[in-house]
Amino acid sequence: AQSVTQPDIHITVSEGASLELRCNYSYGATPYLFWYVQSPGQGLQLLLKYFSGDTLVQGIKGFEAEFKRSQSSFNLRKPSVHWSDAAEYFCAVGASGTYKYIFGTGTRLKVLA
Amino acid sequence: DAGVIQSPRHEVTEMGQEVTLRCKPISGHDYLFWYRQTMMRGLELLIYFNNNVPIDDSGMPEDRFSAKMPNASFSTLKIQPSEPRDSAVYFCASSLQGTGVRELFFGEGSRLTVL
Repeated sequence: AQSVTQPDIHITVSEGASLELRCNYSYGATPYLFWYVQSPGQGLQLLLKYFSGDTLVQGIKGFEAEFKRSQSSFNLRKPSVHWSDAAEYFCAVGASGTYKYIFGTGTRLKVLA
Repeated sequence: DAGVIQSPRHEVTEMGQEVTLRCKPISGHDYLFWYRQTMMRGLELLIYFNNNVPIDDSGMPEDRFSAKMPNASFSTLKIQPSEPRDSAVYFCASSLQGTGVRELFFGEGSRLTVL
């Protein structure tokens, strides 16, 4: 069965510091992988997605993620965090041919000024 | 372009009352999803529709929950009777089938509190 694990519930970084949010998935074949961001009181917005091709994916707001099949990981990175990046981040996995995307439990990011 | 529109944004009701949540998907999208978000269980898929037809409702928690999509531009999620454990944020999302990876577009959610 598909599953997604985000091991970090909370992460705090200083503004300008680099960021890496971890995501591990379980799926037999190559999955669809997504990162979404949710600001307080808002819906989820897609940051980036991966299905095939280049394993380093660029997204919006300066985010990128790298698909590592050997580690079953799809970690999200940003070289320099801005205060406006404070939000909750969700990793999601989906199987080809289905819309049953599974979301991780989320990582809440706090940014210190 | 308008995104996914949900109403009401907030609903407070008493146990036993009927609750109806509404969703207008993005025009032209042919998939519609209802998710529930709680602290304990995270984001759960309740049901999804394709071309107004329910495809998978295995996530609907029990018979008190029902969802309909009478046309391509409107869907409802109804809870009758409501219980305190139904308190959550309910999200509607829509998507367009096509080649490649399909993105979900989420509404801002309906926060339900059942007293």
